Amino acid sequence: QSVLTQPPSTSGTPGQRVTISCSGGASNIASNTVVWYQQLPGMAPKLLVYSDSRRPSGVPDRFSASKSGTSASLAISGLQSEDAATYYCAAWDDSLTWFFGGGTVLTVL
Amino acid sequence: EVRLVQSGEEEKRLGESLRISCKGSGYKFTTQWISWVRQRPGKGLEWMGRIDPGDSYTNYSPDFQGRITISVDKSMNTAYLQWNSLEASDSAIYYCAAGLGVFDPWGQGTLVTVPS
Repeated sequence: QSVLTQPPSTSGTPGQRVTISCSGGASNIASNTVVWYQQLPGMAPKLLVYSDSRRPSGVPDRFSASKSGTSASLAISGLQSEDAATYYCAAWDDSLTWFFGGGTVLTVL
Repeated sequence: EVRLVQSGEEEKRLGESLRISCKGSGYKFTTQWISWVRQRPGKGLEWMGRIDPGDSYTNYSPDFQGRITISVDKSMNTAYLQWNSLEASDSAIYYCAAGLGVFDPWGQGTLVTVPS
């Protein structure tokens, strides 16, 4: 059972908008920034969003993220087939540990 | 280009020791913490611990404390993850990743197999 809770799966059709939630607590999401990673099948994870909502250069603006209280969310608009991946949220915890969410598998139908 | 390159796949026996490596290039190695992350087959990401290459200060997840050792050789721009006695449950892909507030970039991963 992960400290950060994500839905195990979600799906959408090309062009649709999907959101992925990440629920945590006072010692992690509420008091530290949230990061999102994308892991394509058979690949290493890649940074997608940092500091709750900032995108590294090269990440399309179709990807957006936000945080409120002990929850965060990642939105992907204009869904494309190459977005099929597993998405992980992560946050530093005041117990001096990084926690990842359990991951959400996105299927593009 | 900032890169982390990890050592190759390993297959070991129960109880054996192992050290895998992660070599940084394209940046000043001592300026970026290195974390290690485990991914068991078909499972999610688990943070194991991290090291500050500047002073070798380490910080372990309670779930891994005492079972692993993270170290660094600054002269080789290389971080290490070590086990003294492997268990079947250690079979996984292990990633290194650079950074303090974010993990970027990641190494390509090292597959460790410990048959039961």
